[in-house]
Amino acid sequence: GQSLEQPSEVTAVEGAIVQINCTYQTSGFYGLSWYQQHDGGAPTFLSYNALDGLEETGRFSSFLSRSDSYGYLLLQELQMKDSASYFCAVRDNTGGFKTIFGAGTRLFVKA
Amino acid sequence: DADVTQTPRNRITKTGKRIMLECSQTKGHDRMYWYRQDPGLGLRLIYYSFDVKDINKGEISDGYSVSRQAQAKFSLSLESAIPNQTALYFCATSDQSGANVLTFGAGSRLTVL
Repeated sequence: GQSLEQPSEVTAVEGAIVQINCTYQTSGFYGLSWYQQHDGGAPTFLSYNALDGLEETGRFSSFLSRSDSYGYLLLQELQMKDSASYFCAVRDNTGGFKTIFGAGTRLFVKA
Repeated sequence: DADVTQTPRNRITKTGKRIMLECSQTKGHDRMYWYRQDPGLGLRLIYYSFDVKDINKGEISDGYSVSRQAQAKFSLSLESAIPNQTALYFCATSDQSGANVLTFGAGSRLTVL
């Protein structure tokens, strides 16, 4: 089966940098994605890593180490609007490339 | 109009009733999914479909069934609803890129009394 572990909550101050870690176990790993969900909203795609290394998209970066089954999402220059839940998700190629999500990390950004 | 539309957005029903949640998409994607979200448990995959003739069980398919009526339509049914099926349900569609980017609907909140 598949499992993903990420912290349940993280708190940081406006302007700071925060890292949200994700470790995963899956038999058919294909890639790691990150999604953001604001309260009352739908999840929205942030980033995807298929290969080891860092992917940068504006203030957000995502890292993957396939050998360690580990990734993280890095948020820089935190803003109040970044307060949301962040989900890591693995694309698993068993049974036809389905996407399985972690339980999510709730990020609180304080002034 | 939204790319992925779910109806109803909110539904309160009683134990034992049959419920259908409907989803339609205008993205032109072949792949569609139903997820369930519960506090602290993230999004769990119920069923997914890669084309009109393809239906696959996800992590938690027991008590649910689906129908893929057309490329753009994917409905989820609860034949006999029970209280522990109270949750927020999301429909999603994805492209065929390597990232398999999911586009979600706004969600359907179901309460089973």
